Amino acid sequence: EPEVTQTPSHQVTQMGQEVILRCVPISNHLYFYWYRQILGQKVEFLVSFYNNEISEKSEIFDDQFSVERPDGSNFTLKIRSTKLEDSAMYFCASRPEIYEQYFGPGTRLTVT
Amino acid sequence: GENVEQHPSTLSVQEGDSAVIKCTYSDSASNYFPWYKQELGKRPQLIIDIRSNVGEKKDQRIAVTLNKTAKHFSLHITETQPEDSAVYFCAAPNSGGSNYKLTFGKGTLLTVNP
Repeated sequence: EPEVTQTPSHQVTQMGQEVILRCVPISNHLYFYWYRQILGQKVEFLVSFYNNEISEKSEIFDDQFSVERPDGSNFTLKIRSTKLEDSAMYFCASRPEIYEQYFGPGTRLTVT
Repeated sequence: GENVEQHPSTLSVQEGDSAVIKCTYSDSASNYFPWYKQELGKRPQLIIDIRSNVGEKKDQRIAVTLNKTAKHFSLHITETQPEDSAVYFCAAPNSGGSNYKLTFGKGTLLTVNP
């Protein structure tokens, strides 16, 4: 069964550094998402992407964040200048035309 | 936007008992309600979902019920097993357009004691 994949599984970075989190959605899926989960808390929506553009973003997704689909398979989340409070698990998700969203295994981002 | 409340936050049951987790939502236009299971350090895994045109859906030991009038939906797990121990999240999508970003509840930590 196809799955969403993400790399790296764990990223440690210093405050102020740029990070890029990578995702490979399930092929033939059309909608792509990034969510984050701070340890022990609920999953929070960051951004959705469809037809090569952002379709919606949350208030968390400020100018420090950007997303890109550089080719037909990858979907990336970039954080330009990381802050301590960006430490969280970041999940990529994708869905086909209809409802079900499938989540990747996540990237644990630790900002020191 | 959508607001999802989930109860209880923790639930402990004996193996073989049933477990029920309840969620309420605010947007009456929401029409799709998934449940995710998340084991420690793992991804949220879709276990069952229900669309607004039905009131109940079953998949083996798991069922979900939906009351659109009251705007609440529930997850029912029967004959619980230790491997059911996990955090369970309900979610509801925003109703605008086809984006379907999910708003999650705060989660329920289910512990099944052998």
